[in-house]
Amino acid sequence: DADVTQTPRNRITKTGKRIMLECSQTKGHDRMYWYRQDPGLGLRLIYYSFDVKDINKGEISDGYSVSRQAQAKFSLSLESAIPNQTALYFCATSDSPGGFTDTQYFGPGTRLTVL
Amino acid sequence: AQSVSQHNHHVILSEAASLELGCNYSYGGTVNLFWYVQYPGQHLQLLLKYFSGDPLVKGIKGFEAEFIKSKFSFNLRKPSVQWSDTAEYFCAVRSGYSTLTFGKGTMLLVSP
Repeated sequence: DADVTQTPRNRITKTGKRIMLECSQTKGHDRMYWYRQDPGLGLRLIYYSFDVKDINKGEISDGYSVSRQAQAKFSLSLESAIPNQTALYFCATSDSPGGFTDTQYFGPGTRLTVL
Repeated sequence: AQSVSQHNHHVILSEAASLELGCNYSYGGTVNLFWYVQYPGQHLQLLLKYFSGDPLVKGIKGFEAEFIKSKFSFNLRKPSVQWSDTAEYFCAVRSGYSTLTFGKGTMLLVSP
């Protein structure tokens, strides 16, 4: 399923570097999300956007920022990467709850290592 | 605030054994409940979901889950697991117009 794509798929960077993770979707959904997955901690929400002009902090937004460039694009930035941001990052999309489905569709993930 | 608890972090079963993964949530109002699965090296995909109606929900690959409101539970079941069911399983809850909250996941290993 290539409806939600993420670039890069793998990235190794150094402490203090700025890095951007990109997400694109062709599902036409308004809602987009960024999660990080850590072993034993499940998925935690970093930021979410319900439309192009709407950006909201999630559970663990400190150290991250986002940009919603268009309905189809939602980027996550680490302004100054630190080792505890080493994780698997997922982008997801969903349609609005007015449609009463709100199933989230996930991208393939970006494995980020901060040395 | 809503929260989700998955009781088992790791489960090991032999093929053909029955499966039940526990999930409890902590929100007293109307909720939508989900189970997602993550196969090794793959992204999360929806297994099944409950919005309203019949509390017994059937999903893909022979999985089902039962919503028991009085117990705040949404346990996942499968009568006979296969080696290909080896994966990590996540329960998630959404209340009202909030975002999804995921449990910490249960890693299922099915031995052939």
